[in-house]
Amino acid sequence: GAVVSQHPSRVICKSGTSVKIECRSLDFQATTMFWYRQFPKKSLMLMATSNEGSKATYEQGVEKDKFLINHASLTLSTLTVTSAHPEDSSFYICSARVGGSGYNEQFFGPGTRLTVL
Amino acid sequence: DAKTTQPPSMDCAEGRAANLPCNHSTISGNEYVYWYRQIHSQGPQYIIHGLKNNETNEMASLIITEDRKSSTLILPHATLRDTAVYYCIVRVARAGNMLTFGGGTRLMVKP
Repeated sequence: GAVVSQHPSRVICKSGTSVKIECRSLDFQATTMFWYRQFPKKSLMLMATSNEGSKATYEQGVEKDKFLINHASLTLSTLTVTSAHPEDSSFYICSARVGGSGYNEQFFGPGTRLTVL
Repeated sequence: DAKTTQPPSMDCAEGRAANLPCNHSTISGNEYVYWYRQIHSQGPQYIIHGLKNNETNEMASLIITEDRKSSTLILPHATLRDTAVYYCIVRVARAGNMLTFGGGTRLMVKP
């Protein structure tokens, strides 16, 4: 299947700092990428949908000024958590849709664990 | 997208078949049944999907009832590495359509 990578896999930062997470589709072009957040023992919650070359669409309750998403190319989307606070500590997962696939399959990255002190 | 109902947890003995049920009684005619799994601290992994016919691949088999209101994912010979949360998702295969995750079933494969 298609491979999606995320960097970094783990990050620990101080409260008030900003953290950037990268999501890359390694062997395919992804016109659409999705960002999810997962708290311990909970299911994945969609944060936003990112389309290459346009603004991201955020789910209700997700602050677009706090979670900045950039999808500048067909293989890279970034999520920046600005002015991070301890409550932002979570597992962030991106996924990419294989362009042109009739079945619209999504492939997920390995996730990034963010800990805000 | 139609809502799905799965048991929160299941146990299975290693080497036995694991049968994971999913109810999707409000499924529409153009909605597919997808299965993903998530091993602890990893991203979800695609397993299989189907519309109305039963499907099989190297990982699992998917059995969909004739009325399409429920389905079963079958792992024919479960191993310890199959311990994970399994998500059944029903959705229209449309460009840009995201996956919406429910609670899933936590499968524990025991020696």
